Amino acid sequence: QQQVKQSPQSLIVQKGGISIINCAYENTAFDYFPWYQQFPGKGPALLIAIRPDVSEKKEGRFTISFNKSAKQFSLHIMDSQPGDSATYFCAANPGSARQLTFGSGTQLTVLP
Amino acid sequence: EAEVAQSPRYKITEKSQAVAFWCDPISGHATLYWYRQILGQGPELLVQFQDESVVDDSQLPKDRFSAERLKGVDSTLKIQPAELGDSAMYLCASSLVTGRTDTQYFGPGTRLTVL
Repeated sequence: QQQVKQSPQSLIVQKGGISIINCAYENTAFDYFPWYQQFPGKGPALLIAIRPDVSEKKEGRFTISFNKSAKQFSLHIMDSQPGDSATYFCAANPGSARQLTFGSGTQLTVLP
Repeated sequence: EAEVAQSPRYKITEKSQAVAFWCDPISGHATLYWYRQILGQGPELLVQFQDESVVDDSQLPKDRFSAERLKGVDSTLKIQPAELGDSAMYLCASSLVTGRTDTQYFGPGTRLTVL
């Protein structure tokens, strides 16, 4: 049973535009929500993460918005650049030293 | 910056052969994970170690997969015999829990192709 649903599957954005990727979860025990960036042939790399005690976290051009009541969270990439072209995965786990449950991924293409 | 090391990076094998993957986590990281990532999907956990002990292997196909972390440092994942459906990226991750912080760092993965 998929516990983290991610959309869209693919996204094409012009350089300088805003990229938005959405995730929804079912397990109310989840309390850590990271986003990973993966380039072809590489392992996932942590981009930004949030815990449910805050509704938003910003790091540079990357922002996570979190809606606990709706059990949804999203990644916003401002001023998208061609170098941001990669696959993005949302994930969640119910606490430290616990497995991550990943979404199905979003392939982002930023056109120059 | 410390990284998770994995080898080999690529492995091509024939059905029914045995394969083994190696992972060296970031120094000091007590928790080690093996994930499998099928092309176009997110990683899924196979097995989790805390030091040398298995914490979770509920999703490991134990009839053909085995994993060990004998000294609580590096780890080996083995498949015997390999099947066509095992073709995937095998990712190793490690983490160090400090308070509420538990970032999982992933290695570059081993891309397995079973012919």
